[in-house]
Amino acid sequence: GNSVTQMEGPVTLSEEAFLTINCTYTATGYPSLFWYVQYPGEGLQLLLKATKADDKGSNKGFEATYRKETTSFHLEKGSVQVSDSAVYFCALSDISQGAGSYQLTFGKGTKLSVIP
Amino acid sequence: KAGVTQTPRYLIKTRGQQVTLSCSPISGHRSVSWYQQTPGQGLQFLFEYFSETQRNKGNFPGRFSGRQFSNSRSEMNVSTLELGDSALYLCASSKGGSGANVLTFGAGSRLTVL
Repeated sequence: GNSVTQMEGPVTLSEEAFLTINCTYTATGYPSLFWYVQYPGEGLQLLLKATKADDKGSNKGFEATYRKETTSFHLEKGSVQVSDSAVYFCALSDISQGAGSYQLTFGKGTKLSVIP
Repeated sequence: KAGVTQTPRYLIKTRGQQVTLSCSPISGHRSVSWYQQTPGQGLQFLFEYFSETQRNKGNFPGRFSGRQFSNSRSEMNVSTLELGDSALYLCASSKGGSGANVLTFGAGSRLTVL
């Protein structure tokens, strides 16, 4: 079956530091890949996505590249801010055979804390 | 444009009771999915509905059920509650159809079972 593995946290960085959160996946088909972010007390917000190999998703200074050869989708940001403190989830979406239904498989989440 | 609305946001139940959670999708979205989030198991897929039909179901016991109405609003029900059912239940909507795999999530309903 499908699975997503992402680096365990928590991760604590100083403001303006470089961020990398590693994510690797296992999938039988050709999934789309996503990063979602969850702020305290809220639901998940889509941060960025990539639908095929070598695609780069980007948003709000975050970016991730779909690497099929290494089955990875690492999240990066050049300079983090205090407001980036949240839990980040890597996920893949694969269509359920014959059902036309998309199902997300999530990693365990990585909690990021950015200190001034 | 209104987002995905989930009610209630918080609720407390006791073991053996049942609970119904509601989700109103984004206007025009026909697919509604439900996920359970717990500290131990993380985010797990419960089921997905499209045009009032359940198209996909995760690996949960039959105590977990759901339905979708003609206006795309969805409810999920958990019967005979157990302590382990304490979780954040997230609803997500999408346009549905081929290629429409981008989900928009609600804020969730936090269920505590005592």
